[in-house]
Amino acid sequence: DSGVTQTPKHLITATGQRVTLRCSPRSGDLSVYWYQQSLDQGLQFLIQYYNGEERAKGNILERFSAQQFPDLHSELNLSSLELGDSALYFCASSAGQGLAGNTIYFGEGSWLTVV
Amino acid sequence: GENVEQHPSTLSVQEGDSAVIKCTYSDSASNYFPWYKQELGKRPQLIIDIRSNVGEKKDQRIAVTLNKTAKHFSLHITETQPEDSAVYFCAASRPGRGSNYQLIWGAGTKLIIKP
Repeated sequence: DSGVTQTPKHLITATGQRVTLRCSPRSGDLSVYWYQQSLDQGLQFLIQYYNGEERAKGNILERFSAQQFPDLHSELNLSSLELGDSALYFCASSAGQGLAGNTIYFGEGSWLTVV
Repeated sequence: GENVEQHPSTLSVQEGDSAVIKCTYSDSASNYFPWYKQELGKRPQLIIDIRSNVGEKKDQRIAVTLNKTAKHFSLHITETQPEDSAVYFCAASRPGRGSNYQLIWGAGTKLIIKP
């Protein structure tokens, strides 16, 4: 158990809909990262937050947004869903603001299926 | 920006033999290089990492070597076992915005251990 908690574990929704994925980082971790992993693909970095502020942005679509709340949990909002958004979405956390050498720990992921 | 290339994409070795996975990076400012193992349907987990002030690090059957001049690092697994079958990701940590460091990921190597 990495200490990073993600909900829901599985989600099936229709095209055009909107979903929210939730992440609680490890106790004490201030940075939260979101990754997308499509079937048999690599880890696509979406976005990073540190202590409530956006720190780095990857290939995140405009239909997607995220935020980190004062209690450090984070939510990833996916809207106007398309079939191609079906993927495993990972949340990860680390202790610092992405300082070199800070290990990042992944949650179990949220499986999203868009039908 | 930083680019991390990982080879091979698939590696099949006989049980008991050694496996080597190589990654090259482009940003000479990168200074932290973790390796993650991802079993099918599970979260990536850190298996070993190395910092730029070290040339080699070993942990039982796993070792990582770093050549800063050539900007490449490698994962070595000796005496491979069936449970080593997984996808392995390398990453390089480079300076990003402000004092934030970003992990840039390789595309992954699927390691297959043949009985």
